Amino acid sequence: EADIYQTPRYLVIGTGKKITLECSQTMGHDKMYWYQQDPGMELHLIHYSYGVNSTEKGDLSSESTVSRIRTEHFPLTLESARPSHTSQYLCASSYSGAYNEQFFGPGTRLTVL
Amino acid sequence: AQSVTQLGSHVSVSEGALVLLRCNYSSSVPPYLFWYVQYPNQGLQLLLKYTSAATLVKGINGFEAEFKKSETSFHLTKPSAHMSDAAEYFCAVRPMNRDDKIIFGKGTRLHILP
Repeated sequence: EADIYQTPRYLVIGTGKKITLECSQTMGHDKMYWYQQDPGMELHLIHYSYGVNSTEKGDLSSESTVSRIRTEHFPLTLESARPSHTSQYLCASSYSGAYNEQFFGPGTRLTVL
Repeated sequence: AQSVTQLGSHVSVSEGALVLLRCNYSSSVPPYLFWYVQYPNQGLQLLLKYTSAATLVKGINGFEAEFKKSETSFHLTKPSAHMSDAAEYFCAVRPMNRDDKIIFGKGTRLHILP
């Protein structure tokens, strides 16, 4: 079944730890995105990719980094987590073309103590 | 530049009543418009999208939206609210002539009163 997956769904971690949030899609989409969303709040685009080896920073400055080595995989990494990184992180993907909607994963809720 | 304004961060309606969630957009070129729904602890799910084929767009779960160019609006409606409609709703815009980033509104939380 074509879908978009995020792991872990929930993560509680201590300050200073390195973390990687995984995102994979099986729909063959070329474009992928990472959004940050505080509970009940608006979405902020932090990273996006047009395809393999393409990564761009989004509208909201983020200390995280991303990579796109394979079409289906778009992991997000925080080298040193801080309490200010506590948030929900949503991954999305889409085909190219302005009329194409984005498909979202279920999200990862990150808490940094 | 594109922008989206959703009027009302919280809307409450009684079960069985009409649902109306307002969305106004600003776009320098004709836009594509989207409505998404987000249930607690989940990602966003597409409800419907306007791609210029028809001004009245029908979506999933009984929702529909009408594109009104003169009013730069794309309001979301449902004739009869159900308890399961309680969620966060996001309107989004993207210009038709550019495969650019989608711009999301700040969201409207819909509460359904028994």
